[in-house]
Amino acid sequence: RKEVEQDPGPFNVPEGATVAFNCTYSNSASQSFFWYRQDCRKEPKLLMSVYSSGNEDGRFTAQLNRASQYISLLIRDSKLSDSATYLCVVNINTGNQFYFGTGTSLTVIP
Amino acid sequence: GAVVSQHPSWVICKSGTSVKIECRSLDFQATTMFWYRQFPKQSLMLMATSNEGSKATYEQGVEKDKFLINHASLTLSTLTVTSAHPEDSSFYICSARDFPRGQGAIAKNIQYFGAGTRLSVL
Repeated sequence: RKEVEQDPGPFNVPEGATVAFNCTYSNSASQSFFWYRQDCRKEPKLLMSVYSSGNEDGRFTAQLNRASQYISLLIRDSKLSDSATYLCVVNINTGNQFYFGTGTSLTVIP
Repeated sequence: GAVVSQHPSWVICKSGTSVKIECRSLDFQATTMFWYRQFPKQSLMLMATSNEGSKATYEQGVEKDKFLINHASLTLSTLTVTSAHPEDSSFYICSARDFPRGQGAIAKNIQYFGAGTRLSVL
């Protein structure tokens, strides 16, 4: 079983829509959780980090469910500029082990 | 967020050439840096973990003699692709972990990525 699993999508949503991605992790010792966005042919950029139950930043909300071992990312009022691949990253025991999901592709359509 | 500089951003070279890529953390000290490779439309693949002052830890299937890593200081790690061949053509990305010791360590356990190096071997 993979350490981190994401639905690869693609998600194609109209502008203004609300879209949610889920990411499940297998190791219960996981402590730090991150969402990165990666644009085509660019490096990943940190979107949000999640340490407790959740985190909100403007239109973006990340939630952590330790009992079910998943984190989610909610994007409200989608913009065209939100089109990207969203990577879920999990760190175990604050060590050097970071596990990446395969990414979820989002395209926001005018 | 913290800044990681990666250089060069694009390299085109002949087969058999060695290529050196630098990764620098500009505004924080990174005891750990990571090197990834990414093929088109695929996820990042961790190649090795680079620890300052010690040997890098390579992932299974990654040849350490092919991909030489040096992490001589807290702000610089280098990856050298030795005797590059066309199959080594890829997007190489480094990251540095901002993980200060002491309080709040978990809260700062974040990876910041360099802009990547696109390697094309002819």
